[in-house]
Amino acid sequence: NAGVTQTPKFQVLKTGQSMTLQCAQDMNHEYMSWYRQDPGMGLRLIHYSVGAGITDQGEVPNGYNVSRSTTEDFPLRLLSAAPSQTSVYFCASSALGGPGPEAFFGQGTRLTVV
Amino acid sequence: KQEVTQIPAALSVPEGENLVLNCSFTDSAIYNLQWFRQDPGKGLTSLLLIQSSQREQTSGRLNASLDKSSGRSTLYIAASQPGDSATYLCAVAAGFGNEKLTFGTGTRLTIIP
Repeated sequence: NAGVTQTPKFQVLKTGQSMTLQCAQDMNHEYMSWYRQDPGMGLRLIHYSVGAGITDQGEVPNGYNVSRSTTEDFPLRLLSAAPSQTSVYFCASSALGGPGPEAFFGQGTRLTVV
Repeated sequence: KQEVTQIPAALSVPEGENLVLNCSFTDSAIYNLQWFRQDPGKGLTSLLLIQSSQREQTSGRLNASLDKSSGRSTLYIAASQPGDSATYLCAVAAGFGNEKLTFGTGTRLTIIP
């Protein structure tokens, strides 16, 4: 099983450039989320979705956009990259309700903005 | 706002010892608590999930407990092995699902052969 797949694994951007981080899951999960991980700060929630067509902001949404047109895909768009967005980005998915299934994470995208 | 704290930030123990990792959270209104393992440069792997109505969960040499009223969870690792070396993260879920997790900053565990 592929699980949660993130592309690319590494990316270097120049300040002001835009790009899209891809996330796809093959488990038919309703919930998908994006986190960023910075040294000493743990993972912080950027945006999340509870189903196709439904998204909402997390703790640190500024500078990022998301959309969810299908159950499988949840891309994260950086509108105009800034050095403060240098981080490791993780996508996660989990099933809706039930006995509280665990969250599954992708392998991460390491982004450097210069 | 939920805050999750993990102490210590780093821990080194000799192989074979039993050890306990700690996690505390400020808001007891949680859906579940999960413990994850993260190897360097890798993603997160779920180890154990404890529902808000449960007190503990076990998987192999791992046992996690949850005391919602005091806002605490522990991860007990029995008979530690060098392969257990990793960063361990705890996360609490708000609401009714796992779409919004609040993470601690993790404990970096080193098992000394």
